[in-house]
Amino acid sequence: GESVGLHLPTLSVQEGDNSIINCAYSNSASDYFIWYKQESGKGPQFIIDIRSNMDKRQGQRVTVLLNKTVKHLSLQIAATQPGDSAVYFCAENRAAGNKLTFGGGTRVLVKP
Amino acid sequence: EPEVTQTPSHQVTQMGQEVILRCVPISNHLYFYWYRQILGQKVEFLVSFYNNEISEKSEIFDDQFSVERPDGSNFTLKIRSTKLEDSAMYFCASSEGGRHNSPLHFGNGTRLTVT
Repeated sequence: GESVGLHLPTLSVQEGDNSIINCAYSNSASDYFIWYKQESGKGPQFIIDIRSNMDKRQGQRVTVLLNKTVKHLSLQIAATQPGDSAVYFCAENRAAGNKLTFGGGTRVLVKP
Repeated sequence: EPEVTQTPSHQVTQMGQEVILRCVPISNHLYFYWYRQILGQKVEFLVSFYNNEISEKSEIFDDQFSVERPDGSNFTLKIRSTKLEDSAMYFCASSEGGRHNSPLHFGNGTRLTVT
């Protein structure tokens, strides 16, 4: 069935380096995508979103890239910090309705 | 920054008992949601709620589940007769709008353990 999925379950990155988290989606009807960060014992925390009429969006230290041709979404974190250690989820919202379909998550571990 | 608050943080109940999970969404938000996350699995959509009625629900959200906005601030999820497989983290979320101009903001969840 159609789904949102992540390529890497765990990403280890050196403090100060850039991180790239990838997400593949297969539902061509999806028109809105969100990245969430989840720390231990907490709920998903909104990071950044992007609509399907855009291919790039920047926030504070984060950039989301959307490639609709290959149905790929990525989150780039610049100058990764220890506080960035968490599980990151991509989520998609299909054109009809307002429910989110979450990917499986990627754990980011920041090494000092 | 305003946030979604959920109580209790942890609920233990026996199989067959009723539980009510409580949420206070962000005050100016109009759309409310429940999601759940079984340990080690993806976050799954349960139900969305707007204008005092369910706008969408998943196949998980069967007759054992119900939602209610009993007053102007609370949003509750009731599980009528809990099963072992209902053990999960339950997240409440709210959004200002109902479409993709308005991201969902989540609470920190209620961990439900059914024994």
